[in-house]
Amino acid sequence: DSGVTQTPKHLITATGQRVTLRCSPRSGDLSVYWYQQSLDQGLQFLIQYYNGEERAKGNILERFSAQQFPDLHSELNLSSLELGDSALYFCASSAGQGWRNTEAFFGQGTRLTVV
Amino acid sequence: AQSVTQLDSHVSVSEGTPVLLRCNYSSSYSPSLFWYVQHPNKGLQLLLKYTSAATLVKGINGFEAEFKKSETSFHLTKPSAHMSDAAEYFCVVRTGGRDDKIIFGKGTRLHILP
Repeated sequence: DSGVTQTPKHLITATGQRVTLRCSPRSGDLSVYWYQQSLDQGLQFLIQYYNGEERAKGNILERFSAQQFPDLHSELNLSSLELGDSALYFCASSAGQGWRNTEAFFGQGTRLTVV
Repeated sequence: AQSVTQLDSHVSVSEGTPVLLRCNYSSSYSPSLFWYVQHPNKGLQLLLKYTSAATLVKGINGFEAEFKKSETSFHLTKPSAHMSDAAEYFCVVRTGGRDDKIIFGKGTRLHILP
């Protein structure tokens, strides 16, 4: 058990809808990262938050947004969903601002299926 | 450009034989390097990491990797494969420097033959 909790584990929704994925980092970790894993794109970095503030942005679509709350949990909001958004979404956390000399710990992921 | 290349998308070995998963990286700075494993329907688990200390790094489950700067490689090895090693393995590079990025390889799926 990595200590990173993601909910829900599975989500099935229709095109055009909006969903929220939730992540609770390991106790004491200040950084939260979101990744998307799909068969054709592999593992793609979406966005990172550090202690409530956006720290780095990757290949995140404008239809997607995220935030990190004062208790350090994070939510990833996906709107106007398309079939191509179907993927496994991972959250990871790390102690510092980045991965230097420390690794990130990954949650089990949320499998999103858009139908 | 910073990058990480896993040279094989699939590797098949027989149980009890050695495992070699290859990873090459490109980075302008001294990178941090990681190997993660992902079992089916599971999250990613850290196997080992290199962060500018010893170049031969030992990880969990009998895996180890050697950082070779001259070859820009960080190959993952295990002397004897077990059935439970069947999974997908990701090589990850933290590039460092001003344009600090974390880059995942595309993954290598390891198949263990009985």
